[in-house]
Amino acid sequence: KAGVTQTPRYLIKTRGQQVTLSCSPISGHRSVSWYQQTPGQGLQFLFEYFSETQRNKGNFPGRFSGRQFSNSRSEMNVSTLELGDSALYLCASSLASGRQTNTGELFFGEGSRLTVL
Amino acid sequence: AQKVTQAQTEISVVEKEDVTLDCVYETRDTTYYLFWYKQPPSGELVFLIRRNSFDEQNEISGRYSWNFQKSTSSFNFTITASQVVDSAVYFCALSEIYRDDKIIFGKGTRLHILP
Repeated sequence: KAGVTQTPRYLIKTRGQQVTLSCSPISGHRSVSWYQQTPGQGLQFLFEYFSETQRNKGNFPGRFSGRQFSNSRSEMNVSTLELGDSALYLCASSLASGRQTNTGELFFGEGSRLTVL
Repeated sequence: AQKVTQAQTEISVVEKEDVTLDCVYETRDTTYYLFWYKQPPSGELVFLIRRNSFDEQNEISGRYSWNFQKSTSSFNFTITASQVVDSAVYFCALSEIYRDDKIIFGKGTRLHILP
């Protein structure tokens, strides 16, 4: 079956702009998580959505937001981009349901690499 | 406080050597899950193993083995007879399911297998 699909794969923006990244989870997966990966900080949790509701959130400023649609597809948005937002943004889906989301395997996409100039 | 520590930033070994990747975690919970993921150059992380806090049995899967020791809060990963295809970044991760229910990753260990 198709894996997690993230678009776009690469993009370049300038400071102050905004960006929207898209993630299509594996069919049947209702949980979608987003991570930011940078060389200095490693993988940092942004947020997680389950059945269109944000269920968990990491320690990122309000410029980072997301949403999930009824078909489980998810988008994340970063407004007023800063140079430090340059990173690989990874989306992961899982089959987990109910309260215990993260006891299961996460399936990752290949990421969207954002460069902010 | 950092909850998952992978002290080895980068390791290089010659093909066919054994290599162990260290992972030390920190948690106040008695119920938690530990994971290892592999990130090849293509970027997507690939799940390798999950272990819950009540199961300290070591696990072997082919050339891969994992040593979970609660007494030292460690969950180390050994690759036996390494191959060039094992070159990747490896992440250890922790999920405190009754605390905040999100997976926290270590900073990863970049493994180079030299031919």
